[in-house]
Amino acid sequence: DAGVTQSPTHLIKTRGQHVTLRCSPISGHKSVSWYQQVLGQGPQFIFQYYEKEERGRGNFPDRFSARQFPNYSSELNVNALLLGDSALYLCASSFRGGGNQPQHFGDGTRLSIL
Amino acid sequence: DQQVKQNSPSLSVQEGRISILNCDYTNSMFDYFLWYKKYPAEGPTFLISISSIKDKNEDGRFTVFLNKSAKHLSLHIVPSQPGDSAVYFCAAGASNFGNEKLTFGTGTRLTIIP
Repeated sequence: DAGVTQSPTHLIKTRGQHVTLRCSPISGHKSVSWYQQVLGQGPQFIFQYYEKEERGRGNFPDRFSARQFPNYSSELNVNALLLGDSALYLCASSFRGGGNQPQHFGDGTRLSIL
Repeated sequence: DQQVKQNSPSLSVQEGRISILNCDYTNSMFDYFLWYKKYPAEGPTFLISISSIKDKNEDGRFTVFLNKSAKHLSLHIVPSQPGDSAVYFCAAGASNFGNEKLTFGTGTRLTIIP
């Protein structure tokens, strides 16, 4: 079975642009979470979606938004990109979405802002 | 405010010996804990988890110990193998947050010396 897949794997943008990152969860998983990992730090929670509804939001500005589609795939959108948005963006999926269970991660999208 | 701390950025262990990775947390609401392993250019891979109702969980060479009174957990790998060389992240979640937010530590780079 395929794991969590993310696209693209790498992306280079300039300041002020907009970006859309995509994630397909493991088959049968209904919950998708997004994390940002900057160099030398652990992943930081951005959003969780379950059954197309937002379940949680981390401490990120409104420039960050996300949505989940009927097939449980998800998009993360970031507007007005800043240099500080350069990071690895990770998507994770789980079956139930209620916590106390492992989340399984994709290999991430490496976003570089010039 | 770092709620999950891994105070050792790096650790070197001889092949065949025991590796012990440590993690401390400050938020009393955390009630489940996970360990992830991360290789370069890959997403974090789930290793093992523990609920706060237990103090030990084993899976093959991996054992996680939880000391709730000290707000401390540790991951034991025995025997250590060269393939265990990776960055290890401790993560914590709270089932009554209403979402699957995981709070990660900054990671410990484990190097197994052949």
